[in-house]
Amino acid sequence: GAVVSQHPSRVICKSGTSVKIECRSLDFQATTMFWYRQFPKQSLMLMATSNEGSKATYEQGVEKDKFLINHASLTLSTLTVTSAHPEDSSFYICSASRDADGYTFGSGTRLTVV
Amino acid sequence: AQKVTQAQTEISVVEKEDVTLDCVYETRDTTYYLFWYKQPPSGELVFLIRRNSFDEQNEISGRYSWNFQKSTSSFNFTITASQVVDSAVYFCALSEAGDYKLSFGAGTTVTVRA
Repeated sequence: GAVVSQHPSRVICKSGTSVKIECRSLDFQATTMFWYRQFPKQSLMLMATSNEGSKATYEQGVEKDKFLINHASLTLSTLTVTSAHPEDSSFYICSASRDADGYTFGSGTRLTVV
Repeated sequence: AQKVTQAQTEISVVEKEDVTLDCVYETRDTTYYLFWYKQPPSGELVFLIRRNSFDEQNEISGRYSWNFQKSTSSFNFTITASQVVDSAVYFCALSEAGDYKLSFGAGTTVTVRA
């Protein structure tokens, strides 16, 4: 079956630094990749949608200069949290899709900014 | 506007009881897809089922069953003879054919007590 690998699974960083999270589709080419953020005891909120070779589309309220998304190939998307602050601490999870009826999720990254 | 509503925030049952999770959705598209995911404490999303809008047949998979009713825009999920391992947050989600985005409900936390 389709597998999406997400790294790292946990990261602790100092306030003001940047963190990069990788999302790779291992056995299929993902037309579209999605990035979600989940705060404790809340639902998954879509941050942005990215297609290979084009700029990401950000959801309303998500700062594109803070959350940099690069979708360099059909199997790799990265999310960089720039100048991270404690309020950015959250669970970030990616998803890869070939079409509207199938989504494969990564295992998530728990980011803690201290 | 919220596309997926899971009105039940938390459900607590004793082992072997049945539990039904409600999901009501909203869409103007005639072609759409409905999903259920399980999120255990470890955080990863476990895919349970996908149903397209043209397939109203109910489905049973082991102790899990789903009731899809377009007339009431509902896609409810029942766990029969619950077990402690069923304790998790369950999310209902919707994607529309014209939009690859997956919209999640708020989630229902299920606690099964021994």
